[in-house]
Amino acid sequence: GESVGLHLPTLSVQEGDNSIINCAYSNSASDYFIWYKQESGKGPQFIIDIRSNMDKRQGQRVTVLLNKTVKHLSLQIAATQPGDSAVYFCAETAFLGGAQKLVFGQGTRLTINP
Amino acid sequence: DGGITQSPKYLFRKEGQNVTLSCEQNLNHDAMYWYRQDPGQGLRLIYYSQIVNDFQKGDIAEGYSVSREKKESFPLTVTSAQKNPTAFYLCASRGGGGTNEQFFGPGTRLTVL
Repeated sequence: GESVGLHLPTLSVQEGDNSIINCAYSNSASDYFIWYKQESGKGPQFIIDIRSNMDKRQGQRVTVLLNKTVKHLSLQIAATQPGDSAVYFCAETAFLGGAQKLVFGQGTRLTINP
Repeated sequence: DGGITQSPKYLFRKEGQNVTLSCEQNLNHDAMYWYRQDPGQGLRLIYYSQIVNDFQKGDIAEGYSVSREKKESFPLTVTSAQKNPTAFYLCASRGGGGTNEQFFGPGTRLTVL
């Protein structure tokens, strides 16, 4: 069945350092993979997505890498800031009868230390 | 301001009572979704709707019901049949044009007393 999971439930980095959050997925038929950021008590916010035919995509301070051979997804955050502290979820898309469905992983809590 | 709103932010319910969570969006999005989030967990899909007057069960629909009478609104009712309703409920919407981004509301935290 479909499942998306994360290797590490928590990650602590020093402010200014780079962070890498990892994700493993199982559905090789997914078209898109998405990273969301969720701050405490709030709804998730879209960060970046990557299509399955791409290996890398860059945004502002973030880079997503996709390795389809080993079904692995990662989110790199450059020069971390205190505001980056949050739980990060990866999600893969699936389509049911034409409707998009997202399958979420459990999340990684990122803590930025001053 | 365009966005998606949920109310109330906190909700308390006695066992055996039905309760309805509100979700409204002014983004003109066709698709809307309800998710449940338990502590330390990811989001699980309860129901989704692609268009007005149409909705489909997600992965954990038992004990829940929805309606989609208007494009802007997708209320979720947590019925007394839901055995473990205490959770954080998130509503989301998605526009057309092939976008993958789902916009999430701020969530409603439901606690059953």
